[in-house]
Amino acid sequence: GAGVSQSPSNKVTEKGKDVELRCDPISGHTALYWYRQRLGQGLEFLIYFQGNSAPDKSGLPSDRFSAERTGESVSTLTIQRTQQEDSAVYLCASSSFYEQYFGPGTRLTVT
Amino acid sequence: QQQVKQSPQSLIVQKGGISIINCAYENTAFDYFPWYQQFPGKGPALLIAIRPDVSEKKEGRFTISFNKSAKQFSLHIMDSQPGDSATYFCAARSTGGFKTIFGAGTRLFVKA
Repeated sequence: GAGVSQSPSNKVTEKGKDVELRCDPISGHTALYWYRQRLGQGLEFLIYFQGNSAPDKSGLPSDRFSAERTGESVSTLTIQRTQQEDSAVYLCASSSFYEQYFGPGTRLTVT
Repeated sequence: QQQVKQSPQSLIVQKGGISIINCAYENTAFDYFPWYQQFPGKGPALLIAIRPDVSEKKEGRFTISFNKSAKQFSLHIMDSQPGDSATYFCAARSTGGFKTIFGAGTRLFVKA
């Protein structure tokens, strides 16, 4: 079956613009995660969704970041008024229990 | 607030040698400890994982050793190969939940 997909694969935007990143999880996976990975760095937790429970937003770095998920389906991560420090790879993962399956990521470059 | 500390940051090993990566955690409320392997331009992929009720798990050339009292766990790669060259992340998942904390990663390079 299909894995986790993310779009776009690359996004270049100007400072101050808003961007929207999309994640399509594996069908049936109840949990969905967003992480940020700066160049050469580890994975920084941003947010996760679990079924119909309230999302854990504790990792969002500022109120410019927000995320939504439609049921147990697609999720979008929105970054408003992008800054250069937002440049990173944004990874999405989904899980049905323990193992997380990662997508290929969206490389965001803010110029 | 880093709850999982990983070392070394980078590691160079000769082909056929043993690669060892260490992690330590602070919070005792973790119930699952996976290791992920990431190749450039790709998302991380699960390599091997362990629950805290066992002290060792082996899958092929990869072994996790787990020391619950010391709150440490390590990944051993036996007979390391150039194809093992990648970044490795340890992680710990919160008990009763889905939140997972990752270590900072170790860049492994295996020399041919």
